[in-house]
Amino acid sequence: QSALTQPPSVSGSPGQSITISCSGSTGHFESVKLVSWYRQSSAKAPELIVYESTKRPSGVSSRLTGAKSGNTASLTISGLQPEDEAVYYCCSYTGSFWVFGGGTWLSVL
Amino acid sequence: QGALVQSGPQVTRPGASVKVSCKMSGFTIISTDIAWVRQAPGHGLEWMGWVTGFNGRTISAERFQDRLTMTIDKSTATAYMELMSLTSDDSAVYYCARDDYRSFDPWGQGTLVTVAS
Repeated sequence: QSALTQPPSVSGSPGQSITISCSGSTGHFESVKLVSWYRQSSAKAPELIVYESTKRPSGVSSRLTGAKSGNTASLTISGLQPEDEAVYYCCSYTGSFWVFGGGTWLSVL
Repeated sequence: QGALVQSGPQVTRPGASVKVSCKMSGFTIISTDIAWVRQAPGHGLEWMGWVTGFNGRTISAERFQDRLTMTIDKSTATAYMELMSLTSDDSAVYYCARDDYRSFDPWGQGTLVTVAS
């Protein structure tokens, strides 16, 4: 049972925007800087797409935007494209260990 | 950027142990920390623990503390994860990833471990 709660699935049509939430209980998200997001396409290793809640690694599309407010982080993907279809995981440092959310399957209809 | 290349798939029996390697390239070993994350079939990601290249110190998730060993061989720039007393629940893909205290990046390609009698 994950300490970070994500919706199991979200969906959208090409060109639309979607937002995936990631909620932690009190005490998680120890530092507002240490929320990261990962994308995992089928049968592949996860890939970092957002770190420190809002920053994107070089090469990651500007259509991906991370945000954080209180104990909830979010990932917004605008201008959905078929290749965005994947599972997205949030991750947070609790002060002593890391924890992942349960993952959200994004379906691009 | 650097890269991590893991050892190949393994099949082992209940009660045995498994050791997975993670070869690092493009990193300064002494300043590189490696995390281990696993993913059971059809499930999400689970953080297992972390080992620092600085002095070999480790931190393990509580559920693995008594059967997980993580090491780094500086001479070969290789990190190792050994999990003991395996059960079928330990069948999973095991990933190594560089841990820079903000995120995990890059990741190894993953190593499938199958525990079956």
